Amino acid sequence: GAGVSQSPSNKVTEKGKDVELRCDPISGHTALYWYRQSLGQGLEFLIYFQGNSAPDKSGLPSDRFSAERTGGSVSTLTIQRTQQEDSAVYLCASSMGLARETQYFGPGTRLLVL
Amino acid sequence: AQKITQTQPGMFVQEKEAVTLDCTYDTSDPSYGLFWYKQPSSGEMIFLIYQGSYDQQNATEGRYSLNFQKARKSANLVISASQLGDSAMYFCAMREGWGAQKLVFGQGTRLTINP
Repeated sequence: GAGVSQSPSNKVTEKGKDVELRCDPISGHTALYWYRQSLGQGLEFLIYFQGNSAPDKSGLPSDRFSAERTGGSVSTLTIQRTQQEDSAVYLCASSMGLARETQYFGPGTRLLVL
Repeated sequence: AQKITQTQPGMFVQEKEAVTLDCTYDTSDPSYGLFWYKQPSSGEMIFLIYQGSYDQQNATEGRYSLNFQKARKSANLVISASQLGDSAMYFCAMREGWGAQKLVFGQGTRLTINP
């Protein structure tokens, strides 16, 4: 079946604008994760959703960042009043929510804030 | 303290040689999972191999194997018979606990395979 999809693949925005990034997980996966990868760095956890449980927002860097997951499927990550330091690749992953979990990643959204 | 440490920022290996990428981890949780991902220049994160903390045997997946030394808290990735297509960034990651939990990643190792 299809893998994790993300849109847009690239986004250029001006400082101060809001952006929305979309993630469509693998069908049947109950868990969905957002990570951020800055240039030349490892991945930094942002937030994850598991079924109907409250999301773990512990990795969100500021209150300008928020995410929601509608209907247990598609997720949107919103960054308000973007700053230049928000420039990064935003990666979404999904998993089945089982004990021996493997997270499968989407291709990412490359965000550039001018 | 770093939970995942990859001490090799870059490695250069001749084609067809075996290569070991180092990873050490730090956790007090007895239940955890260790992962290796490959990230080619295209940017996608490709899952390679998984090792659970209670697994008795080292994980293997084709040319990839994981040298799991629990007492030393190391989980090195071994790639046998390297190929040009193995050139990429390699990330070690850990999940603490079972099920849906966040992954903590190391800084990565850039592997270059020379012809």
